[in-house]
Amino acid sequence: SQQGEEDPQALSIQEGENATMNCSYKTSINNLQWYRQNSGRGLVHLILIRSNEREKHSGRLRVTLDTSKKSSSLLITASRAADTASYFCATGGGGGKLIFGQGTELSVKP
Amino acid sequence: DAGVIQSPRHEVTEMGQEVTLRCKPISGHDYLFWYRQTMMRGLELLIYFNNNVPIDDSGMPEDRFSAKMPNASFSTLKIQPSEPRDSAVYFCASTSSLWGGWNTEAFFGQGTRLTVV
Repeated sequence: SQQGEEDPQALSIQEGENATMNCSYKTSINNLQWYRQNSGRGLVHLILIRSNEREKHSGRLRVTLDTSKKSSSLLITASRAADTASYFCATGGGGGKLIFGQGTELSVKP
Repeated sequence: DAGVIQSPRHEVTEMGQEVTLRCKPISGHDYLFWYRQTMMRGLELLIYFNNNVPIDDSGMPEDRFSAKMPNASFSTLKIQPSEPRDSAVYFCASTSSLWGGWNTEAFFGQGTRLTVV
């Protein structure tokens, strides 16, 4: 069963623009993670934010978490063509369970 | 470490045949996950293990699916008999719980693309 729902399902932008993806979830979590998947490949971990954190940065990535609204956002600044991929949020809950959302397909045009 | 290793990378089989997918997690990781990815249903968690013990298999679609983890370095996902609707990419992932029981980042294998004809 899916825990997270991502919005939008697809996003197309020009190189240099910022890309924002949102994730909503339903149950309480220990942490929320974002992953990237290039076509035909496995998922790669980008960033993890704990439930007691509100914002986290890693390079051009900025993640926010609002546990009261059960939502998170991933911002990619100054996007590049190489950022073209699908992006997934995953919620880490009790017992080690890791559930993924449906993903956002990002296309960055040069 | 070579990362999570899955085999085979591609499998084409006829309906009714038994299919076995294999996974070698990263050494030292105590969690292992099996996921199935399709266009229609996205990335579904099928089953996960902690210290070789199945913790939650509620995502396993039917009794035709079974998974084992006989030791810390090997897991299998078996489908018997296989059906065309089982066609999907199956991913194995592993992670560790060093941070007080919370998940840390999960490392994924390259996946097995299964086609049942």
